Amino acid sequence: NAGVTQTPKFQVLKTGQSMTLQCAQDMNHNSMYWYRQDPGMGLRLIYYSASEGTTDKGEVPNGYNVSRLNKREFSLRLESAAPSQTSVYFCASSEASTGTRYNEQFFGPGTRLTVL
Amino acid sequence: GNSVTQMEGPVTLSEEAFLTINCTYTATGYPSLFWYVQYPGEGLQLLLKATKADDKGSNKGFEATYRKETTSFHLEKGSVQVSDSAVYFCALPLNSGGYQKVTFGIGTKLQVIP
Repeated sequence: NAGVTQTPKFQVLKTGQSMTLQCAQDMNHNSMYWYRQDPGMGLRLIYYSASEGTTDKGEVPNGYNVSRLNKREFSLRLESAAPSQTSVYFCASSEASTGTRYNEQFFGPGTRLTVL
Repeated sequence: GNSVTQMEGPVTLSEEAFLTINCTYTATGYPSLFWYVQYPGEGLQLLLKATKADDKGSNKGFEATYRKETTSFHLEKGSVQVSDSAVYFCALPLNSGGYQKVTFGIGTKLQVIP
């Protein structure tokens, strides 16, 4: 199984350009997530989707939009890129978690984005 | 709210040295605790976990014990290898409205030299 796949692996944008990061999982997971990883700050949640058809904001949603296209795919869009969005972006998925049952998140390989 | 504190590093060790990466947490209730590992150029993957106080998680020679009295979950390995070079994240999951909100530490980079 491929697990979680992300495209592209690398991208360079100019300020103001737009782009969409693609993510797909083949594990039949309900929940999907987008994180950004910055030096000294760990991972921060941008958006998540608890199930197909729902999306919600995480810690740092400003400047981003998402689409849960179907159960497999969850895309992240930057409408007008800014240098502050230079980061490594990770998509993740997991089985739905309830109560005190915490399920492992599975991560994609990441997209390294540079905004000039 | 929940928080996780871990040393930033980098930590540089010689092969076969003993490793400790400290992690302390702040949370209400009785959370589970995870360690994730990120190898160069890859995404994070779960290394080990513990679901209640005094539980010991273990995998690939790594161990961590959930200590409620000291609110800690330190990662240890008795003899590191070059292949253990990676970034290690302590993590605290919380179920919130149908999704899993995870508070990650900042990550500790480990470099093991031959």
